[in-house]
Order: sequence, then C-alpha cells, then structure tokens
Amino acid sequence: SQTIHQWPATLVQPVGSPLSLECTVEGTSNPNLYWYRQAAGRGLQLLFYSVGIGQISSEVPQNLSASRPQDRQFILSSKKLLLSDSGFYLCAWVGLAAYNEQFFGPGTRLTVL
Amino acid sequence: AQSVTQLGSHVSVSEGALVLLRCNYSSSVPPYLFWYVQYPNQGLQLLLKYTSAATLVKGINGFEAEFKKSETSFHLTKPSAHMSDAAEYFCAVSEPLNAGGTSYGKLTFGQGTILTVHP
Repeated sequence: SQTIHQWPATLVQPVGSPLSLECTVEGTSNPNLYWYRQAAGRGLQLLFYSVGIGQISSEVPQNLSASRPQDRQFILSSKKLLLSDSGFYLCAWVGLAAYNEQFFGPGTRLTVL
Repeated sequence: AQSVTQLGSHVSVSEGALVLLRCNYSSSVPPYLFWYVQYPNQGLQLLLKYTSAATLVKGINGFEAEFKKSETSFHLTKPSAHMSDAAEYFCAVSEPLNAGGTSYGKLTFGQGTILTVHP
C-alpha cells in the first residue's frame, strides 16, 4: 500500500531563517506531487506541483521554492522566512489511474516568529 | 478555469440531525468531484468521489453526495450526524486527465465548511 510522510510535524522558526520541509511517498512510482499551504480560515492554496524528477511548476509567486531530487521525494524550501509564511503545509500525491484523487500527508505546522 | 463554491463557512447541527454541506462547481468539461474531511492538525482524508459513473456516490462514515449537472452541484449529506463528524469539509474539482487539457491532476478546492455537532 502507498503511504506519504512529511517531516517535521511542527516547526517554529524566526523570521529570516531558512526552511526545508520534506515529503516522501512509498509504494508507488512516478507520482505527481503537490505542495499546499493552508492558512487559518483560507482554505488550501496550491503552491507547487511536480510531474517528474526535476520538474517543478509554481502556482503563485512567493518566498518559497520546491525541488524534486528523487522520484518520490518533494522538498519545500525558503532562504529567508517571512511572518506570512506561517501556516499548515500539506504534501499530496496522485497516481494517473486514480481519477486525480489526491492522497495527503499528515502536514507540517510552521510558525514563523 | 475551474472553481468551487462552498456555501456556508460554518454549519452547526444537533447530534442525530441531517447534515447538508453545499458545493457548487464551475468547469468547462465534465469534472471529477471530491469531498475531503480534515480533522484538526491532520491531513485531508477522502470521503467520496464522483468520476462520471453513478450520480449518487456513497462514501465513508455514512456520507453520500449527488452529482447534479443541471445545477452544477455536488452537495454532501449524512442522514444522522454524530459527534465524531465535527471537522472541516472541503469540496474539490478536477478535470479528467483525458480532457485534452493540462490539469496535471490538479485539484481546485473550495474554501471549506466547518461542521459543528451539538449534543
């Protein structure tokens, strides 16, 4: 069966510090991968998606970047965090045979102080 | 472009009462539609999905939803609410991968509806 992992589960970082969030998927190959941010009361905002190694598409201009160094690994990064980067970050994957059904990881709660 | 509107950011019901969460969508092609549930500080869990088969879709935990093309709606219902149903619910739409578009499996989510269940 497929599983998706995210770490860390929670993170408190000062403004201006770097960020690295990791997402890995097990039990599938060549998935499409997605990063979402969920700010309080604002639903889910798609940040990045990837259809393969090294292929990253950005949905909104922002202070963040993403990378996919391996087939089942998706990393969200920032060089300098802003207060507005606080939120709940969710990683998801979809297999092409699954009608675009996305499977979500447990999320990372990021607080920037 | 696709869009999803969830009517009512907060819905409150009594335990045992009918749950109705509303979702309307906009899509240029016949869509795939989904309902997800999110408990506090957790990821999203799929409740049910519509993929152009039966218009009445049954999901987990006693939930079901009906696809109505003429109304562009996909409302979520449950006959009898339970305390454990208290959570945030998201409706989402996606283009089928064979639509000739470049959806890349992307979902467009509604803003969410927080369901509160009173004893």
